Amino acid sequence: EVQLVESGGVLVQPGGSLRLSCAASGFTFSSYRMNWVRQAPGKGLEWVSSISGGSSTTYYADSVKGRFTISRDNAKGSVFLQMNSLRAEDTAVYYCTRMAYSSDWYPDYWGQGTLVTVSS
Amino acid sequence: EIVMTQSPATLSVSPGERATLSCRATQSVSSNLAWYQQKPGQAPRLLIYGASTRATGIPARFSGSGSGTEFTLTISSLQSEDFAVYYCQQYNDWPRTFGQGTRVEIK
Repeated sequence: EVQLVESGGVLVQPGGSLRLSCAASGFTFSSYRMNWVRQAPGKGLEWVSSISGGSSTTYYADSVKGRFTISRDNAKGSVFLQMNSLRAEDTAVYYCTRMAYSSDWYPDYWGQGTLVTVSS
Repeated sequence: EIVMTQSPATLSVSPGERATLSCRATQSVSSNLAWYQQKPGQAPRLLIYGASTRATGIPARFSGSGSGTEFTLTISSLQSEDFAVYYCQQYNDWPRTFGQGTRVEIK
């Protein structure tokens, strides 16, 4: 059974930093691209970042480029999101997703999310 | 960036009726379109990928169609558990983009 468990979400002040983690199990982790998607309170879904199985290719939304860094540890089956220079508008539930391939990569399994609140 | 627009924003439907949700892209995404269902307090769940392929375990009452820039999600006979918010997402290009969602509510 595919499982994705996010952690690391807390209350942080504007300008602060945070590292989110996602522990994956139930599949061959290194074979899959992984993804972060966020959802601000009461709002829709926003794709944040993606990393290839071997970490060679990463992508970022313009809203987080230069502030967030995605990484992974295939030996530990984990993906991370380092978040720097946090802003109030980064407040959201952050979901870790596995990505499946059918012509291109799309999210198939989602974790339950971790809440990041940026406020003074 | 490809902008995805869903309509209507809210759809009021009686149980047992048919629901038709639309998703439009500002440029062609081929068939690289997925649909997700999200219930309050839960993570999204994949329903459809490749515009028309049901994900594992998804009931046959959910169907997807379309290609290029126009897509449709149809729920043939709404069950109580289908009242939720539905999102489309294109995965033809980076950045991946979602529609703003359609809320399906009980009429």
